Amino acid sequence: DTEVTQTPKHLVMGMTNKKSLKCEQHMGHRAMYWYKQKAKKPPELMFVYSYEKLSINESVPSRFSPECPNSSLLNLHLHALQPEDSALYLCASRDWTSGRGETQYFGPGTRLLVL
Amino acid sequence: GNSVTQMEGPVTLSEEAFLTINCTYTATGYPSLFWYVQYPGEGLQLLLKATKADDKGSNKGFEATYRKETTSFHLEKGSVQVSDSAVYFCALTPQTGANNLFFGTGTRLTVIP
Repeated sequence: DTEVTQTPKHLVMGMTNKKSLKCEQHMGHRAMYWYKQKAKKPPELMFVYSYEKLSINESVPSRFSPECPNSSLLNLHLHALQPEDSALYLCASRDWTSGRGETQYFGPGTRLLVL
Repeated sequence: GNSVTQMEGPVTLSEEAFLTINCTYTATGYPSLFWYVQYPGEGLQLLLKATKADDKGSNKGFEATYRKETTSFHLEKGSVQVSDSAVYFCALTPQTGANNLFFGTGTRLTVIP
């Protein structure tokens, strides 16, 4: 099973709202990722967690705040977003421990609209 | 540096036509190579992969061969279906640094009945 789940599927929020995106995997993967994908573009890496610790932050604005409460869960907390933050947010995970563990498995994404 | 160059789209084919989407890469050493597919309104799904030279990845009738000599990983399918309409991304992970997944720009495929 290579399933990564994400909730909610769709989210509409105002610029003053606070919301959270959730990602879950039960494959025992110890690396988890957040990506942002704008229309007709490839995904762009935002954050990487390795063994529940933030290892990469690709200069993402502080209005995006990631959290990894345990090895299966990854959250992305959103606050004071701008309309240009509207995008598809994808979560991915990778098996850090098995061989090269080179494959990232993606979830279905949360489509975010900021009004 | 690491990069992926992918055939520009969009590509429109009739059902049962042969598909080729070109992908070339730049990387040091031996990267792992991937094709991901994104159906309308969905996330990315791993379609196939190859981790060493001359490996052939295959899935759902799609194939791609890791060619070190030409630094290519072209995607092929002998007979496309309407359900294959999607965006296809070629990607690589460097030999060192598997947290980094470098994507091509994506190729939109539309298959018409």
